[in-house]
Amino acid sequence: GAVVSQHPSRVICKSGTSVKIECRSLDFQATTMFWYRQFPKQSLMLMATSNEGSKATYEQGVEKDKFLINHASLTLSTLTVTSAHPEDSSFYICSAPDRGRYEQYFGPGTRLTVT
Amino acid sequence: GENVEQHPSTLSVQEGDSAVIKCTYSDSASNYFPWYKQELGKRPQLIIDIRSNVGEKKDQRIAVTLNKTAKHFSLHITETQPEDSAVYFCAASTGGGNKLTFGTGTQLKVEL
Repeated sequence: GAVVSQHPSRVICKSGTSVKIECRSLDFQATTMFWYRQFPKQSLMLMATSNEGSKATYEQGVEKDKFLINHASLTLSTLTVTSAHPEDSSFYICSAPDRGRYEQYFGPGTRLTVT
Repeated sequence: GENVEQHPSTLSVQEGDSAVIKCTYSDSASNYFPWYKQELGKRPQLIIDIRSNVGEKKDQRIAVTLNKTAKHFSLHITETQPEDSAVYFCAASTGGGNKLTFGTGTQLKVEL
């Protein structure tokens, strides 16, 4: 099956700093990627849809100036959490559908801890 | 937008028993319904999915049923084993390549 990777798997940063998370499709091209956030014991909540070569589409309530998304190539999308605060600590997961398929492929997730 | 409800939130069964998890969705345009198993700290793992042109699908001990009229779908796990213990999420989508809306999750515990 198709493989999606994420980097880093874990990151600890200080309050006020920015963190970049990468999501890569390794063996297929992804014109669309999705970014989810998952707090402990909660479900996956869609943050935004990343579209190659165009602006991301953010879900209601997600601050687009705080969560910057760039999808510059067909295999890479990045999520930058700017001016991170402790309440941004969460598990961030990306997913991508392989073109023409219904199934989405999830990255392994990134555990962000803001101190 | 789509809203997916999932019940129960926790489910405890004895090894060998069956487990059933139910979901309802609100958007009649949804036509793809996957089920995921997630272990702590890991990515969701697709265990079975169904499209709206099918009423039931089975894969060994796992089956999913879909009632489009009532807008609900269910996951059935038979002959449960301790390794089935995990959090299970249902989801809905309006088609290939479109965003998924997840249910709230069910913590399944299979006891010896």
